[in-house]
Amino acid sequence: GNSVTQMEGPVTLSEEAFLTINCTYTATGYPSLFWYVQYPGEGLQLLLKATKADDKGSNKGFEATYRKETTSFHLEKGSVQVSDSAVYFCALNSGGSNYKLTFGKGTLLTVNP
Amino acid sequence: NAGVTQTPKFQVLKTGQSMTLQCAQDMNHEYMSWYRQDPGMGLRLIHYSVGAGITDQGEVPNGYNVSRSTTEDFPLRLLSAAPSQTSVYFCASSGSGRAVGNEQFFGPGTRLTVL
Repeated sequence: GNSVTQMEGPVTLSEEAFLTINCTYTATGYPSLFWYVQYPGEGLQLLLKATKADDKGSNKGFEATYRKETTSFHLEKGSVQVSDSAVYFCALNSGGSNYKLTFGKGTLLTVNP
Repeated sequence: NAGVTQTPKFQVLKTGQSMTLQCAQDMNHEYMSWYRQDPGMGLRLIHYSVGAGITDQGEVPNGYNVSRSTTEDFPLRLLSAAPSQTSVYFCASSGSGRAVGNEQFFGPGTRLTVL
C-alpha cells in the first residue's frame, strides 16, 4: 500500500535560516505529491504539488522536487520567516484517487525572531 | 465562495452519546472525505464519497456512519461516542478524480472531546 514518511519534528529555526523537511514515499503506480501546511487553529491548505517525476512545485518561497529515483519530495525554503511557523504535511495520492490522500505524520516548524 | 464549511467548531460529548458533524462545500466537487487528526498520527481517512448516493469506508471507519444525499453535504455521524474518538475532524472535497493531481480543499475542522 501507499505510505509517506517525513522528518519527525519539532524543528526550531531562527529567522532567515534555511529549511529542509524530508519526505519519502512508497506508492503503486505514479502518484501525485503534495505539501500541505496547517497554521495554528486552522485547517490544511495546499502549499505546493507535483504530478510527475522531475516536476518542481513552488509557492511562497517553498520548493519541492519530485524525485522518482529516490522516491522523495523534500520541502525547502531558503530563508524562513516567523510567519512560516506551522505544521507541514507531505501527502500523496495515486491511481486518480483524489478523494484519498495518504499523509505523513506532520512536522512542526517553529521560527524564532 | 465559502469553500468547505464545518459545524460545530468545538463539541464535548459524554460516552455513549451520538451526534452529527456537518460538512458542506459550494464548489460543486464530486469527491468528499472525512479525516481524523490525532497527535503523532497525521490524518487518517474515515469515510469518503465519490458522488451523491455513493460512499465507502476509509482506513478507520468503525464507529462512524456517513451518507451523501446531495453533492453539497456530507455529514459524519458518531453512533455511540467513545473516548477513543476524541480527535480533530476534517472534511475535505476535491474535483473530478479523472484529473491528475487535483488538490483536496479542507474545512476548518471540528475539535471533539468525548468524556
